[in-house]
Order: sequence, then C-alpha cells, then structure tokens
Amino acid sequence: EDKVVQSPLSLVVHEGDTVTLNCSYEVTNFRSLLWYKQEKKAPTFLFMLTSSGIEKKSGRLSSILDKKELFSILNITATQTGDSAIYLCAVAPINAGNNRKLIWGLGTSLAVNP
Amino acid sequence: DGGITQSPKYLFRKEGQNVTLSCEQNLNHDAMYWYRQDPGQGLRLIYYSQIVNDFQKGDIAEGYSVSREKKESFPLTVTSAQKNPTAFYLCASRGAGAKETQYFGPGTRLLVL
Repeated sequence: EDKVVQSPLSLVVHEGDTVTLNCSYEVTNFRSLLWYKQEKKAPTFLFMLTSSGIEKKSGRLSSILDKKELFSILNITATQTGDSAIYLCAVAPINAGNNRKLIWGLGTSLAVNP
Repeated sequence: DGGITQSPKYLFRKEGQNVTLSCEQNLNHDAMYWYRQDPGQGLRLIYYSQIVNDFQKGDIAEGYSVSREKKESFPLTVTSAQKNPTAFYLCASRGAGAKETQYFGPGTRLLVL
C-alpha cells in the first residue's frame, strides 16, 4: 500500500532556529512530491519536486528530493513566529486515468516561540 | 480576484439532516476535489471530478454525495448516512497545466449538534 510518512509529528523551536522537516514515501510509480503550509485554514502550495538533488528555494524555505532513498526534506532557516503552521507533504503517483490523486502524510505541526 | 471560495465557514448539522457545502472556483480549472481533515489524520479524499458531469469516489465516499453540473461549482452533500461528520472540509482545484498542484479553498468546519 502506498504511504507517506512525515516526521516529526510536532516540533517546538525558538525564533531564529533552523528546522528540518522530513517526508519519506513508499509509492509505486512516483511522479512528484509536493509541500504545503497550512495555517488556520487552506493549505498553501510551497514546492513541487520531481528530480533528485535539485534544491527548490523560496526565501528562507528550501526543499530537496532524494529519489534513491525515497525522501524529501523541507528546511526553514531563521524561523519566525509566522512560520508556525502544519507542513503537509503529498506524493503524486503515476496512475491510470491520470486523475492526479495525491497521497498525503499526516503533517508536521511546527510552533515557533518568540 | 481569482480563487476558490467555500461557504459557509461554519455549519451545524442536526441528527438525521442532510447539509450541503458549497465550493466555487473562478480559476477555469477542470479538476476539483473534496477532502476531509480530522485532527491527527491528515487529508482524506472524499470525491473528485476531472471534468463537468463526471466524478469519482475517493477513499471515504460513504455518506457523501456530489454533483458537477458546472465547471465552476462542486458542491458536497453530507447525508444522514455519514455517522461521524464533524470535521474540517477542504475543497481544491487543479488546472490542466498545473500538473499535480492543487489549490485549496478556506474550508468549512462542520459540527454536529
């Protein structure tokens, strides 16, 4: 059965710390991996990764994929209280019907204290 | 503004009552999705639709129904057959050129009285 596992499930840090969130997967016919940030309401898209070793970066956030070891990490440097959120990882398999269904992890809840 | 809207923000359901959650998008996206989110359980797919007048069951479709009569709209009905409907419901859409990237509405929180 396809699955996506995120770790840790929750994390508390102080402002200015650097954090690394993990997402490992066991998915048949991998197509891509996506990261989302969810504050109070809608998840917002961060990154989509399809190739190993190519870092995606947006400000203080960056992410990389390792297709050999089947995982991705999301790094946040110089954390701020506004980074407090649930970070969701999802994997898209290649599947019949091309329906683009995603397999979701449970998320990592990050709390950044001032 | 382009985006996905969901209404209402909060919804209360009495026992035995059907309720309908609205999802509208003006992004011209073909595909739309409904998810349920419970604490500690991540996102679970209820129904999805890739095109108007067509939809498929997701992983937890029992007790729910949908329609897709217009491209912009994908309402979800939570029927009385859904025994544990209290949850946060998220609607998402995806454009043809966006590969797997789904964009989410603000969600509806459903509470059973």
